Amino acid sequence: QKEVEQNSGPLSVPEGAIASLNCTYSDRVSQSFFWYRQYSGKSPELIMSIYSNGDKEDGRFTAQLNKASQYVSLLIRDSQPSDSATYLCAVNGGNYGGSQGNLIFGKGTKLSVKP
Amino acid sequence: NAGVTQTPKFQVLKTGQSMTLQCAQDMNHNSMYWYRQDPGMGLRLIYYSASEGTTDKGEVPNGYNVSRLNKREFSLRLESAAPSQTSVYFCASSETFRGSGRQVWQFFGPGTRLTVL
Repeated sequence: QKEVEQNSGPLSVPEGAIASLNCTYSDRVSQSFFWYRQYSGKSPELIMSIYSNGDKEDGRFTAQLNKASQYVSLLIRDSQPSDSATYLCAVNGGNYGGSQGNLIFGKGTKLSVKP
Repeated sequence: NAGVTQTPKFQVLKTGQSMTLQCAQDMNHNSMYWYRQDPGMGLRLIYYSASEGTTDKGEVPNGYNVSRLNKREFSLRLESAAPSQTSVYFCASSETFRGSGRQVWQFFGPGTRLTVL
């Protein structure tokens, strides 16, 4: 059973701090990794994608991937109260379900940024 | 460009009733998906359609059927609703999986909140 694990939180950080969200995955052949943000009562929206080992930066967000350790993380710098949401890690499931196009989602980490 | 749209937004059913959830995308994507999201369970794939004319089961297909009506539309049908199907249902779409091993991300619709009494 392919799995994506996240700490459910809640993770609470003060405004202006760095929030660090972590995700581990079980399928070594996974090639594509995504972070989605989901506000309460809303649908998931993509914030970052990463495919290669190392860091990828986009504004205040940095995704980090370590395929050897099967670990992907998301750093949010200068956290704002508007960043308060649940963050979902999603991993390309390889041959999951017979289609290499499917994603496996973690259960999400709830982030709370306190003013 | 509306992206992915879903109807209805909310629905209350009685046990045993049937209904169809509608989903449409205007991004010319080949692949479409149906998920359910329950507290503490995350997003779970019900059915997917890799391309027009094909559908396949996901992780939790029991009690559901799907139809890929055309490239734009992918519907989910509950033939005899049960309280265990109370959930939030999301439709998503994406471009075709790329053989290089890199997948393009999925775009999600706004969701349908279904309650089965």
